[in-house]
Amino acid sequence: DAGVTQSPTHLIKTRGQQVTLRCSPKSGHDTVSWYQQALGQGPQFIFQYYEEEERQRGNFPDRFSGHQFPNYSSELNVNALLLGDSALYLCASSLDLGLAGIEQYFGPGTRLTVT
Amino acid sequence: AQTVTQSQPEMSVQEAETVTLSCTYDTSESDYYLFWYKQPPSRQMILVIRQEAYKQQNATENRFSVNFQKAAKSFSLKISDSQLGDAAMYFCALSNFGNEKLTFGTGTRLTIIP
Repeated sequence: DAGVTQSPTHLIKTRGQQVTLRCSPKSGHDTVSWYQQALGQGPQFIFQYYEEEERQRGNFPDRFSGHQFPNYSSELNVNALLLGDSALYLCASSLDLGLAGIEQYFGPGTRLTVT
Repeated sequence: AQTVTQSQPEMSVQEAETVTLSCTYDTSESDYYLFWYKQPPSRQMILVIRQEAYKQQNATENRFSVNFQKAAKSFSLKISDSQLGDAAMYFCALSNFGNEKLTFGTGTRLTIIP
């Protein structure tokens, strides 16, 4: 099992462009959450997808959108990039085990630089 | 709104010694989980330890243990017999029961001195 994978590892974009980041969850996990981690900060929750729908959303503008596919993989799209969007974007996949709690794993992240 | 506060931006400890990282939090929920995550330079966020709020017993995982004070909303991490591989950013995090969404603190950078 490869765990949670993300692609690409790094990318550089120009202000105003659009970007798509990808996440493949750990096998058996059905929920994907996305986080933005600015340099020197803790991760901030962007949104969460379950059953191909956005289930929760953090305090991020509509420029941030996402999608979940039938195989549970997910994409994060950011439009009209700003310099402030430069960050490490983390994907976490999870599975609710009921009384046993929630099993959640993070991917290695995608480092986005906006110039 | 939930908040998690880590007041120690940086900590250092001699190899083989013990260090304690502090975390306070605020939530209006009665059922929740608390976590400590480790983020080495490789950037991978790794779960170190988890505490269910309804459990009075403090969680332990090998050299890692927590001091959970529910009334004080305090959740500290103790690392015993510190090893060079423990050097990393450590994040305290909170989630509500049945909800995967995590609220993170700003992190503590731990340096291990050989």
